[in-house]
Amino acid sequence: GESVGLHLPTLSVQEGDNSIINCAYSNSASDYFIWYKQESGKGPQFIIDIRSNMDKRQGQRVTVLLNKTVKHLSLQIAATQPGDSAVYFCAENRGSSGGSNYKLTFGKGTLLTVNP
Amino acid sequence: SQTIHQWPATLVQPVGSPLSLECTVEGTSNPNLYWYRQAAGRGLQLLFYSVGIGQISSEVPQNLSASRPQDRQFILSSKKLLLSDSGFYLCAWSVRGYEQYFGPGTRLTVT
Repeated sequence: GESVGLHLPTLSVQEGDNSIINCAYSNSASDYFIWYKQESGKGPQFIIDIRSNMDKRQGQRVTVLLNKTVKHLSLQIAATQPGDSAVYFCAENRGSSGGSNYKLTFGKGTLLTVNP
Repeated sequence: SQTIHQWPATLVQPVGSPLSLECTVEGTSNPNLYWYRQAAGRGLQLLFYSVGIGQISSEVPQNLSASRPQDRQFILSSKKLLLSDSGFYLCAWSVRGYEQYFGPGTRLTVT
């Protein structure tokens, strides 16, 4: 079935390195994507989002890239810090089929570990 | 600014007991509200969402129900808990867009 999936369940990086977390999606109708960060025992925090009419969006130390041709989404974190250690989820909105449909479908998540 | 509250933070309940989890949002009006469940080491599963008072949509058949008695209050309930109801329950809100903002969550353990 259609789903939002991740290439790697875990990622370990050295402090100061750049991190890249990948996400694949299969629904061509998805028009909105979002990345969340979830620290242990807490609710997910919004990081950055991107609409399907964009290829790239930048925030503070984070960049999201969207490749609609291969249905791939990535989150890049520059100069990764120990505080970036968390599980990162991508999520998609699969478009509305008549009426408002503000629902998100989440992937399983990638555990990012930053080594000092 | 908007804030979202959930309580209790943790709960241990025996099988067959009732459940009531509450979520409230402050600082916004007419939000969309969502209940998710997250199993250990897994992603988020949408259980219910609501676009207005008394309007509840269920995403998966289950042992749970939801209600929205006020604009900024969302309640998750069960008459009789099952072991499989254990998990991390998250409430979220959104308004005017797709981005959702999550509460701190409730850790439910059914014994």
